[in-house]
Amino acid sequence: DQQVKQNSPSLSVQEGRISILNCDYTNSMFDYFLWYKKYPAEGPTFLISISSIKDKNEDGRFTVFLNKSAKHLSLHIVPSQPGDSAVYFCAAPSPNTGNQFYFGTGTSLTVIP
Amino acid sequence: EAQVTQNPRYLITVTGKKLTVTCSQNMNHEYMSWYRQDPGLGLRQIYYSMNVEVTDKGDVPEGYKVSRKEKRNFPLILESPSPNQTSLYFCASTARGGILGNQPQHFGDGTRLSIL
Repeated sequence: DQQVKQNSPSLSVQEGRISILNCDYTNSMFDYFLWYKKYPAEGPTFLISISSIKDKNEDGRFTVFLNKSAKHLSLHIVPSQPGDSAVYFCAAPSPNTGNQFYFGTGTSLTVIP
Repeated sequence: EAQVTQNPRYLITVTGKKLTVTCSQNMNHEYMSWYRQDPGLGLRQIYYSMNVEVTDKGDVPEGYKVSRKEKRNFPLILESPSPNQTSLYFCASTARGGILGNQPQHFGDGTRLSIL
């Protein structure tokens, strides 16, 4: 049973516009979330994270929003650039220990020049 | 350069022929983990290790073994590979400190296994 879900397998956005990637989770005990970015033939790389005590975290062009009541988080990229074209995974560590990690299925973002 | 190194990067083999995928990290990280990536399923954790001689099952451990005899190495062993283990595999590591889950993982570049 997938505890972290990304329901949009792909997304296309024009360069300069906003990209919004969504992620839903089922375990209300999750207390930390991370986004990873993956280019073809490379491993995922960490992008941004958010603690459950916050509802927003910003790092340059990337902002993650957390809505705990809806068990939903989103990654906003503004403005989108062609180099942002990649697969994005949201992830959550197991509550309390953080020993296990649960990843979403990924969203493939294409930024059109 | 801080990195996680996996070998081989690609392997085509046959059912039942034992294979090992090596993983090594040079960051002195305590935590290491193996994932497989499959279309429509994302990344799923196979095994993880909190430290030397400490390993535990992730979500999909069936058909895999691991060992952690040294801090830097965490090999993934397929004793009798089957076609359903054809996948893209990633090794990752992270430092301990605070709440473990808050430490971003560093991933290797992946190993693509095809089992015929």
